[in-house]
Amino acid sequence: DVKVTQSSRYLVKRTGEKVFLECVQDMDHENMFWYRQDPGLGLRLIYFSYDVKMKEKGDIPEGYSVSREKKERFSLILESASTNQTSMYLCATSPGTGEGDTQYFGPGTRLTVL
Amino acid sequence: GQSLEQPSEVTAVEGAIVQINCTYQTSGFYGLSWYQQHDGGAPTFLSYNGLDGLEETGRFSSFLSRSDSYGYLLLQELQMKDSASYFCAVSTPSGGYQKVTFGTGTKLQVIP
Repeated sequence: DVKVTQSSRYLVKRTGEKVFLECVQDMDHENMFWYRQDPGLGLRLIYFSYDVKMKEKGDIPEGYSVSREKKERFSLILESASTNQTSMYLCATSPGTGEGDTQYFGPGTRLTVL
Repeated sequence: GQSLEQPSEVTAVEGAIVQINCTYQTSGFYGLSWYQQHDGGAPTFLSYNGLDGLEETGRFSSFLSRSDSYGYLLLQELQMKDSASYFCAVSTPSGGYQKVTFGTGTKLQVIP
C-alpha cells in the first residue's frame, strides 16, 4: 500500500511566522502535489513536482513556495503566514504512469493562522 | 484554464441508486476521475474514464462522453457508508506533463 504521511494533523501558527509543511511518501512515486481544501471550493492545486528539484506552479501559488530535495519528500513553505492561509492542506503523490495517473493523498494538515 | 461543475449536495435513500453529474470545460483533455472523501478523511481514488463509455467497479460505475464534456458517477445499492463527498477531476496536458484539476465536490447524504 502507498503510504503518504504529513508532518502534523493540526498546526496553529501566528501571522507572519514561517511555516513548513512536510510530506513524505514511501512508494518511489515520481509526482508529488500540494493542495488546499476549503469548504465550497474543493481541492485547489498550489504546487506540484514531477522530479527531484523540479517544481511547477499550480493554480494558487501566491504566498507559497516548495522544496523537493529528495524524491520521497515534498515540503510546502508559507514564507509569512497570513490568516487567509488558514485551511486544510493535502499532499498527494502519483506514480507518473501517464493518463489516468491515480493520486494518493496524505491525511492532511489543518493549519490555523491566528 | 479548467472549470468543472457538479451539484453541491445530493440526498438518497439507502438501497437506492444515485447519479452524480459532472460537466467540464478544459484546454485539452486526457480523462475524468472520481474520488471519494469521508468527513475528516483523505480523498481516495474511485475510477478513471479516458474513453467514452461506462466503467464498472462493483456497486460504482462511471461514465464519460467526451463530445458532451460530461460524465457521471453512478452508485447502486446505496449503503450508509457511502455518505461522503465525491469529487470529479479532469486530467489535462500541462507543459509536457499531466495536471489534475478537481471539482468543488458533491456531498452525498444517504438516509435510512
